[in-house]
Amino acid sequence: DTGVSQDPRHKITKRGQNVTFRCDPISEHNRLYWYRQTLGQGPEFLTYFQNEAQLEKSRLLSDRFSAERPKGSFSTLEIQRTEQGDSAMYLCASLGGDVDGYTFGSGTRLTVV
Amino acid sequence: GENVEQHPSTLSVQEGDSAVIKCTYSDSASNYFPWYKQELGKRPQLIIDIRSNVGEKKDQRIAVTLNKTAKHFSLHITETQPEDSAVYFCAAILFSGGYNKLIFGAGTRLAVHP
Repeated sequence: DTGVSQDPRHKITKRGQNVTFRCDPISEHNRLYWYRQTLGQGPEFLTYFQNEAQLEKSRLLSDRFSAERPKGSFSTLEIQRTEQGDSAMYLCASLGGDVDGYTFGSGTRLTVV
Repeated sequence: GENVEQHPSTLSVQEGDSAVIKCTYSDSASNYFPWYKQELGKRPQLIIDIRSNVGEKKDQRIAVTLNKTAKHFSLHITETQPEDSAVYFCAAILFSGGYNKLIFGAGTRLAVHP
């Protein structure tokens, strides 16, 4: 696998339910990012991991959001008590040694009904 | 922090014409400026990038120019084709040993009409 994989591709959930997304970065990349993209907007930074350490969280990441990267490989993003405003594309990206290796996954499109 | 503004938000051209999309950034320390193409429902795909020590870069029909003094950078697409229709995003980053988060513009929806 030479790319960033995200699962699921699509998720429809009822308001108030919890959802979890997974990202598998490029294997040799130690840096992993989550972004959120709403319709008609550019991706917005949510959080950043270097290996297993979460080093930065955006103000967009409310206390209903939590992200982990337990072994420095794959990462999960959980949203608790989903709200309609959480509907968006959640993109994962990974980065290795040089900046032109910044690679995005295909994203998870979340729809909260 | 960094802020990136992009315009126009929509651009409509005839096949074969040129298209230009412009971005400005606020943080003079930013040193890497990628451009992404995103088709509906797909991931952003890097199409060209430029580093702060370069003023211009070209790859076939696409080119990017950077004016560090004015903190402007632009994407130029020549001889546009219908398959160029997509949303284009510019971004800026201070690439270092640190966090390296991309700051994106709001996007330009390009429509190329046959």
